[in-house]
Amino acid sequence: GAGVSQSPSNKVTEKGKDVELRCDPISGHTALYWYRQSLGQGLEFLIYFQGNSAPDKSGLPSDRFSAERTGGSVSTLTIQRTQQEDSAVYLCASSFTNSPNQPQHFGDGTRLSIL
Amino acid sequence: SQKIEQNSEALNIQEGKTATLTCNYTNYSPAYLQWYRQDPGRGPVFLLLIRENEKEKRKERLKVTFDTTLKQSLFHITASQPADSATYLCALPASGGSYIPTFGRGTSLIVHP
Repeated sequence: GAGVSQSPSNKVTEKGKDVELRCDPISGHTALYWYRQSLGQGLEFLIYFQGNSAPDKSGLPSDRFSAERTGGSVSTLTIQRTQQEDSAVYLCASSFTNSPNQPQHFGDGTRLSIL
Repeated sequence: SQKIEQNSEALNIQEGKTATLTCNYTNYSPAYLQWYRQDPGRGPVFLLLIRENEKEKRKERLKVTFDTTLKQSLFHITASQPADSATYLCALPASGGSYIPTFGRGTSLIVHP
């Protein structure tokens, strides 16, 4: 069953290293979203995938951030040359369609700490 | 620019009372609004969606209202319980037909036994 699964749940790495975060959406969900949540802050949109369409990357904060979604299912968010300000919880969500009234189903996130 | 406001101060109430949380928005006319619950260390969980033509929606002890004139949604939990303690987020679709919702920062609710 399953809900949205994210791994790892926690990641600690040194500044300057690259990191990869993984998201397994709910089977059959065509829309997938990545968000970032810093302490006491709201959800910051990063990137959105819908089916085979080109992703909406308008929320990516810099070119160090990229994401892929293979086979319309699993997605990987990559952060290159990490900086301390990248420390946050990275949340993935999926929804059945991209209809704007569809609820989003979230994973429990990856807590990323950059030393 | 589009803005969503939720009270940043935690709401403390006594068990059994009704909790009321507020979501205000500006520069926007959303067709619907969603409410989510987020527990510490967990992702948000969808609770309710209310459309612009619905004044009120209920689900068990939850009630949501949507006033498009005031640009406000109220989220009520009746007969609150300590297990209701969490952060509650409201979300609106981004403007311009975007499929990407915008979330408020959330309000923390603490229900004391």
